[in-house]
Amino acid sequence: NAGVTQTPKFQVLKTGQSMTLQCAQDMNHEYMSWYRQDPGMGLRLIHYSVGAGITDQGEVPNGYNVSRSTTEDFPLRLLSAAPSQTSVYFCASSTLGGAGGPYNEQFFGPGTRLTVL
Amino acid sequence: GNSVTQMEGPVTLSEEAFLTINCTYTATGYPSLFWYVQYPGEGLQLLLKATKADDKGSNKGFEATYRKETTSFHLEKGSVQVSDSAVYFCALSDRSTASKLTFGTGTRLQVTL
Repeated sequence: NAGVTQTPKFQVLKTGQSMTLQCAQDMNHEYMSWYRQDPGMGLRLIHYSVGAGITDQGEVPNGYNVSRSTTEDFPLRLLSAAPSQTSVYFCASSTLGGAGGPYNEQFFGPGTRLTVL
Repeated sequence: GNSVTQMEGPVTLSEEAFLTINCTYTATGYPSLFWYVQYPGEGLQLLLKATKADDKGSNKGFEATYRKETTSFHLEKGSVQVSDSAVYFCALSDRSTASKLTFGTGTRLQVTL
Protein backbone atom coordinates (compact mmCIF):
# COMPACT_ATOMS: atom_id res chain seq x y z
CA ASN A 1 0.00 0.00 0.00
CA ALA A 2 1.21 3.49 -0.82
CA GLY A 3 -0.85 4.96 2.05
CA VAL A 4 -1.62 8.65 1.59
CA THR A 5 0.09 10.38 -1.31
CA GLN A 6 0.22 14.10 -2.03
CA THR A 7 1.37 16.03 -5.07
CA PRO A 8 3.18 18.27 -5.63
CA LYS A 9 5.78 18.32 -2.84
CA PHE A 10 6.61 21.97 -3.45
CA GLN A 11 4.80 24.77 -5.27
CA VAL A 12 5.35 28.47 -5.75
CA LEU A 13 2.42 30.61 -6.89
CA LYS A 14 1.86 34.25 -7.59
CA THR A 15 -0.95 36.11 -5.86
CA GLY A 16 -4.21 35.48 -7.67
CA GLN A 17 -3.22 32.23 -9.32
CA SER A 18 -5.24 29.09 -8.77
CA MET A 19 -4.09 25.54 -8.27
CA THR A 20 -5.14 22.13 -6.98
CA LEU A 21 -3.31 20.11 -4.38
CA GLN A 22 -3.83 16.42 -4.97
CA CYS A 23 -4.41 13.80 -2.29
CA ALA A 24 -5.06 10.11 -2.74
CA GLN A 25 -5.28 7.14 -0.39
CA ASP A 26 -5.43 3.42 -1.13
CA MET A 27 -6.68 2.18 2.25
CA ASN A 28 -10.41 2.51 1.47
CA HIS A 29 -10.79 5.06 4.26
CA GLU A 30 -14.09 6.88 4.54
CA TYR A 31 -12.70 9.93 6.30
CA MET A 32 -10.30 12.35 4.62
CA SER A 33 -9.18 15.78 5.66
CA TRP A 34 -6.91 18.68 4.83
CA TYR A 35 -4.82 20.58 7.39
CA ARG A 36 -2.48 23.48 7.13
CA GLN A 37 0.56 23.75 9.36
CA ASP A 38 1.93 27.14 10.30
CA PRO A 39 4.69 27.99 12.79
CA GLY A 40 3.33 28.26 16.33
CA MET A 41 -0.19 27.33 15.21
CA GLY A 42 -0.09 23.55 15.10
CA LEU A 43 -2.31 21.94 12.49
CA ARG A 44 -5.61 23.54 11.61
CA LEU A 45 -8.40 21.73 9.83
CA ILE A 46 -9.42 23.25 6.49
CA HIS A 47 -12.03 20.84 5.10
CA TYR A 48 -12.98 17.26 5.67
CA SER A 49 -15.09 14.52 4.13
CA VAL A 50 -16.82 11.50 5.65
CA GLY A 51 -17.39 9.78 2.31
CA ALA A 52 -17.75 10.25 -1.42
CA GLY A 53 -20.03 13.17 -2.21
CA ILE A 54 -19.91 14.56 1.36
CA THR A 55 -17.69 17.43 2.43
CA ASP A 56 -17.76 19.95 5.24
CA GLN A 57 -15.83 22.93 6.50
CA GLY A 58 -13.23 22.83 9.20
CA GLU A 59 -11.67 25.59 11.24
CA VAL A 60 -10.12 27.65 8.41
CA PRO A 61 -12.05 26.99 5.16
CA ASN A 62 -11.97 30.43 3.55
CA GLY A 63 -10.17 30.55 0.21
CA TYR A 64 -10.27 26.78 -0.28
CA ASN A 65 -12.65 24.40 -2.03
CA VAL A 66 -12.82 20.62 -1.93
CA SER A 67 -14.75 17.85 -3.59
CA ARG A 68 -14.92 14.10 -3.05
CA SER A 69 -16.07 12.28 -6.15
CA THR A 70 -14.39 9.00 -5.20
CA THR A 71 -13.38 7.33 -1.95
CA GLU A 72 -9.71 7.52 -2.93
CA ASP A 73 -9.27 11.17 -3.94
CA PHE A 74 -9.74 14.42 -2.06
CA PRO A 75 -8.27 17.41 -3.94
CA LEU A 76 -7.91 20.85 -2.37
CA ARG A 77 -8.39 23.86 -4.64
CA LEU A 78 -7.04 27.33 -4.06
CA LEU A 79 -9.23 29.61 -6.14
CA SER A 80 -7.17 32.81 -5.94
CA ALA A 81 -3.96 32.35 -3.98
CA ALA A 82 -2.98 34.89 -1.35
CA PRO A 83 0.29 35.27 0.61
CA SER A 84 -1.62 34.27 3.76
CA GLN A 85 -2.01 30.82 2.23
CA THR A 86 1.73 30.22 2.32
CA SER A 87 1.92 27.11 4.47
CA VAL A 88 2.57 23.40 4.56
CA TYR A 89 -0.54 21.40 3.66
CA PHE A 90 -1.22 17.89 4.90
CA CYS A 91 -3.85 15.46 3.80
CA ALA A 92 -4.94 12.71 6.17
CA SER A 93 -7.30 9.77 6.10
CA SER A 94 -8.80 7.29 8.53
CA THR A 95 -11.63 4.90 9.00
CA LEU A 96 -14.67 6.73 10.28
CA GLY A 97 -14.98 7.08 14.06
CA GLY A 98 -18.48 7.59 15.27
CA ALA A 99 -20.08 8.40 18.58
CA GLY A 100 -18.80 5.86 21.04
CA GLY A 101 -15.64 5.33 19.04
CA PRO A 102 -13.31 3.89 18.06
CA TYR A 103 -11.42 7.08 17.53
CA ASN A 104 -9.18 5.97 14.83
CA GLU A 105 -5.64 6.68 13.85
CA GLN A 106 -5.29 9.21 11.08
CA PHE A 107 -2.68 8.53 8.40
CA PHE A 108 -0.92 11.57 7.02
CA GLY A 109 0.61 12.28 3.65
CA PRO A 110 4.13 13.76 3.35
CA GLY A 111 2.84 17.30 2.80
CA THR A 112 2.92 20.02 0.17
CA ARG A 113 4.95 23.15 0.86
CA LEU A 114 3.22 26.08 -0.80
CA THR A 115 4.65 29.57 -1.17
CA VAL A 116 2.50 32.42 -2.48
CA LEU A 117 4.42 35.48 -3.60
CA GLY B 1 -15.01 24.08 22.15
CA ASN B 2 -12.14 21.65 22.27
CA SER B 3 -8.58 22.82 22.77
CA VAL B 4 -5.13 21.38 23.45
CA THR B 5 -2.30 23.21 25.17
CA GLN B 6 1.28 22.01 24.93
CA MET B 7 4.43 23.27 26.55
CA GLU B 8 6.46 25.66 24.46
CA GLY B 9 9.57 24.42 22.78
CA PRO B 10 12.13 23.89 21.67
CA VAL B 11 13.26 21.34 24.21
CA THR B 12 16.94 20.50 24.05
CA LEU B 13 18.22 17.41 25.88
CA SER B 14 21.35 15.34 25.98
CA GLU B 15 21.14 11.74 24.88
CA GLU B 16 19.86 9.42 27.64
CA ALA B 17 18.12 12.27 29.48
CA PHE B 18 14.55 11.98 30.76
CA LEU B 19 11.87 13.64 28.66
CA THR B 20 8.56 15.16 29.68
CA ILE B 21 6.37 17.16 27.31
CA ASN B 22 3.29 18.55 29.00
CA CYS B 23 -0.14 18.46 27.40
CA THR B 24 -3.46 19.58 28.85
CA TYR B 25 -6.83 19.63 27.15
CA THR B 26 -10.32 21.04 27.24
CA ALA B 27 -13.10 18.97 25.76
CA THR B 28 -16.86 18.86 25.99
CA GLY B 29 -17.19 15.10 25.86
CA TYR B 30 -15.05 12.10 26.68
CA PRO B 31 -12.12 12.52 24.33
CA SER B 32 -9.59 10.12 23.02
CA LEU B 33 -6.07 11.49 23.30
CA PHE B 34 -3.15 11.10 20.93
CA TRP B 35 0.49 11.92 20.53
CA TYR B 36 1.71 12.34 16.96
CA VAL B 37 5.36 12.73 15.93
CA GLN B 38 6.70 14.58 12.90
CA TYR B 39 10.26 13.81 11.82
CA PRO B 40 12.05 16.38 9.68
CA GLY B 41 10.57 16.65 6.20
CA GLU B 42 7.84 14.11 6.85
CA GLY B 43 4.16 13.99 7.65
CA LEU B 44 2.76 13.19 11.07
CA GLN B 45 2.55 9.65 12.36
CA LEU B 46 0.75 8.30 15.37
CA LEU B 47 3.06 7.67 18.32
CA LEU B 48 0.54 6.50 20.93
CA LYS B 49 -3.04 6.94 22.04
CA ALA B 50 -5.39 6.44 24.99
CA THR B 51 -9.15 6.22 24.70
CA LYS B 52 -10.39 6.44 28.30
CA ALA B 53 -9.42 7.73 31.71
CA ASP B 54 -6.40 6.05 33.34
CA ASP B 55 -5.39 4.34 30.10
CA LYS B 56 -1.67 4.38 29.40
CA GLY B 57 -0.52 4.56 25.80
CA SER B 58 3.00 3.41 25.01
CA ASN B 59 5.22 2.94 21.99
CA LYS B 60 8.97 3.05 21.24
CA GLY B 61 9.74 3.73 24.91
CA PHE B 62 7.35 6.69 25.07
CA GLU B 63 4.43 6.67 27.50
CA ALA B 64 1.49 8.90 28.31
CA THR B 65 -1.31 8.40 30.84
CA TYR B 66 -4.82 9.79 30.36
CA ARG B 67 -5.52 11.79 33.54
CA LYS B 68 -9.14 12.94 33.60
CA GLU B 69 -8.86 14.65 36.98
CA THR B 70 -6.10 16.96 35.74
CA THR B 71 -7.17 16.90 32.06
CA SER B 72 -3.64 16.00 31.09
CA PHE B 73 -1.79 13.60 28.80
CA HIS B 74 1.90 14.25 29.37
CA LEU B 75 4.42 12.47 27.16
CA GLU B 76 7.42 10.84 28.86
CA LYS B 77 10.47 8.82 27.89
CA GLY B 78 13.07 7.57 30.28
CA SER B 79 16.10 7.85 28.00
CA VAL B 80 15.97 9.83 24.78
CA GLN B 81 18.09 9.17 21.71
CA VAL B 82 19.30 11.47 18.96
CA SER B 83 16.82 9.71 16.65
CA ASP B 84 13.94 11.03 18.81
CA SER B 85 14.60 14.56 17.56
CA ALA B 86 11.30 15.61 16.04
CA VAL B 87 8.20 17.72 16.62
CA TYR B 88 5.61 16.16 18.93
CA PHE B 89 1.91 17.04 18.74
CA CYS B 90 -0.73 16.31 21.32
CA ALA B 91 -4.25 15.92 19.89
CA LEU B 92 -7.76 14.91 20.85
CA SER B 93 -11.01 13.82 19.31
CA ASP B 94 -14.31 13.31 21.06
CA ARG B 95 -17.79 11.99 20.49
CA SER B 96 -19.03 15.29 19.14
CA THR B 97 -16.28 15.48 16.52
CA ALA B 98 -15.82 11.79 15.70
CA SER B 99 -12.76 11.54 13.46
CA LYS B 100 -11.83 15.22 13.61
CA LEU B 101 -8.66 15.99 15.52
CA THR B 102 -7.83 19.10 17.52
CA PHE B 103 -4.06 19.62 17.73
CA GLY B 104 -1.78 21.43 20.07
CA THR B 105 0.85 23.74 18.62
CA GLY B 106 3.61 21.14 18.73
CA THR B 107 6.84 20.88 20.74
CA ARG B 108 10.17 20.57 18.98
CA LEU B 109 12.62 18.19 20.67
CA GLN B 110 16.32 18.35 19.88
CA VAL B 111 18.51 15.61 21.34
CA THR B 112 22.27 16.07 21.28
CA LEU B 113 25.16 13.69 21.90
